[in-house]
Order: sequence, then structure tokens, then C-alpha cells
Amino acid sequence: KNQVEQSPQSLIILEGKNCTLQCNYTVSPFSNLRWYKQDTGRGPVSLTIMTFSENTKSNGRYTATLDADTKQSSLHITASQLSDSASYICVVSAGYGGSQGNLIFGKGTKLSVKP
Amino acid sequence: DAGVIQSPRHEVTEMGQEVTLRCKPISGHDYLFWYRQTMMRGLELLIYFNNNVPIDDSGMPEDRFSAKMPNASFSTLKIQPSEPRDSAVYFCASSPRGGATDTQYFGPGTRLTVL
Repeated sequence: KNQVEQSPQSLIILEGKNCTLQCNYTVSPFSNLRWYKQDTGRGPVSLTIMTFSENTKSNGRYTATLDADTKQSSLHITASQLSDSASYICVVSAGYGGSQGNLIFGKGTKLSVKP
Repeated sequence: DAGVIQSPRHEVTEMGQEVTLRCKPISGHDYLFWYRQTMMRGLELLIYFNNNVPIDDSGMPEDRFSAKMPNASFSTLKIQPSEPRDSAVYFCASSPRGGATDTQYFGPGTRLTVL
């Protein structure tokens, strides 16, 4: 069964600190992996999309890594800010060639950044 | 661009009533997606359209749910009759194309409460 598991479920860090969120998946065939940021009361916003051949992708202070062999991804946030407080959702796309109709969503990690 | 527009933002109704949620995708986007988000299950794809044609409705939970896209700038998701277990946040998203690495742009969501 295709699944995406995220850890931790929730995380509290102090402003300025770094943190890493984890995503493990059992999806076959793998097409790509996305990280979304979802602020409270808003829709998800795409941070990164990585295909099979990409190991690392950055978007400002956000860096995503992908290990297709171990089927793991991580999202590293550097020098956290209060505005980073949100849920971060890992999404894996299944299928050859890919379409967006076969996306498997993790349940997200809720990050709280405290002053 | 105004982004994806959803209405209403909040809906409270009683069990058995008909509920209609509305979505206006970003102009020029060929794909439109309806999602449901709950704490227990996270984000789930309900149905998606390509050029106004439903492509996959396998995520629609039961016959009480229906979706239409009469033209490129408007879609509805209808629940009739509604039940308390339908309470969730419903998101609409659009994408320029349905390619594997294309970004989906989410609307702000409609929070539905069925009493």
C-alpha cells in the first residue's frame, strides 16, 4: 500500500534555531516528492518538488533532500523565524510519467517557532 | 492574479441539508482539483478535472458527493444530503498542466461544519 509517514507530528523550537523534518514513503512507482507549507487557515503552498534524480533542492532557508534508495526525504529549515510556524506536508507522486491525480499525502508536521 | 478563489469561506449547516461549495481557478490553468482535509486523514484528493472534464473521481467518498465544472472558470462541489462526518476543510486547487512536476495552487479553503 502506498504510504507517506512524517515525523515528528509536532515540533517546538526557538526562533533562530535550525530544525529538520522527516518523511518516509513506500510509494511505487515513484515519480516525485513535494514539500508544502500550510499556514493556519490557509491552503498549502509548494516549497520544493524533487524528481528521482535530484538529491537536494533549496528554496531560501528551506532545503529538501531526497534519498530514493532508502525512500526518505527531509526538510531542513535554517535560522527559523516566527513566520515558519506552520504545518509542513510531504507529498509523493506515484506513477510513470506522472500526473497529479495520484498524489499520496503525509499528515504533516506541525512546527511552532517561539520567540 | 487573484489566485484560486473559493466561496464560502465558512459554512455551517444541519444534517440532511444540501451544501454547495464553489471554486474559481486561476485563469489559464487546465487542471482543477478538489481536496478534503481533516485532522484524522489529512489531505485527500476527491476529484480532478482536465479542461472541464472529470478525469478521476475515485476519491469521492460516496454518491452524496458530486462535482461539476461547467466552464473553465467555475467548479462546484455539492454534498446532498450532508452528514456530520462531512465536516472538514475543502480545498480547491488548480494547475497550469497536469504534469508530474507542475505546481498546484491551492485556494484558501471552505470550512464546512455539519451539525
